[in-house]
Amino acid sequence: QQQVKQSPQSLIVQKGGIPIINCAYENTAFDYFPWYQQFPGKGPALLIAIRPDVSEKKEGRFTISFNKSAKQFSLHIMDSQPGDSATYFCAAQVSGSARQLTFGSGTQLTVLP
Amino acid sequence: NAGVTQTPKFQVLKTGQSMTLQCAQDMNHNSMYWYRQDPGMGLRLIYYSASEGTTDKGEVPNGYNVSRLNKREFSLRLESAAPSQTSVYFCASSRDREASYGYTFGSGTRLTVV
Repeated sequence: QQQVKQSPQSLIVQKGGIPIINCAYENTAFDYFPWYQQFPGKGPALLIAIRPDVSEKKEGRFTISFNKSAKQFSLHIMDSQPGDSATYFCAAQVSGSARQLTFGSGTQLTVLP
Repeated sequence: NAGVTQTPKFQVLKTGQSMTLQCAQDMNHNSMYWYRQDPGMGLRLIYYSASEGTTDKGEVPNGYNVSRLNKREFSLRLESAAPSQTSVYFCASSRDREASYGYTFGSGTRLTVV
């Protein structure tokens, strides 16, 4: 049972483009939505996160957009660079519960020079 | 450097063999986790330890056992390896079970069962 569905599985953009990765969730109790970035041969690392009381959060070139009514959230990378090439995972959690982070299936992003 | 250390980095096992994956963190974190990563499946939780002395099953616990040896160390054991356990295994830790503190992951163990 996949509680967080992520798309696309892979994405190729040119340098300067704006890749968008989408995630949808089913559990309306989720209230914390992070994104993790993973480079080849490394473990994932926290990139940016949002809570449902805001519709958008920006950190540098990375933006999360959140649509509570549609139960969807997305990651946008502005002015993408070849160094952004990595696998991106969305995730969700119910704060304060014993349950742990539930991850999406991942998106492999390639930014061409 | 502070972080999560996993050993070994690579391992090949024959079907039926056993092994233990080691994980240690030096950030004084309370919670630790074991995930497996498979293509198209994302990260799936095997077991976790919310605090020293406690362990709980995650999404895919069958065929695995864990031990929270102390606050720093959390090991994952495969008693009788199967080809379906071929995967990349990640250990992670966090300040506590609240994900908003961020999970710190190790660099992974790539396991092949033949």
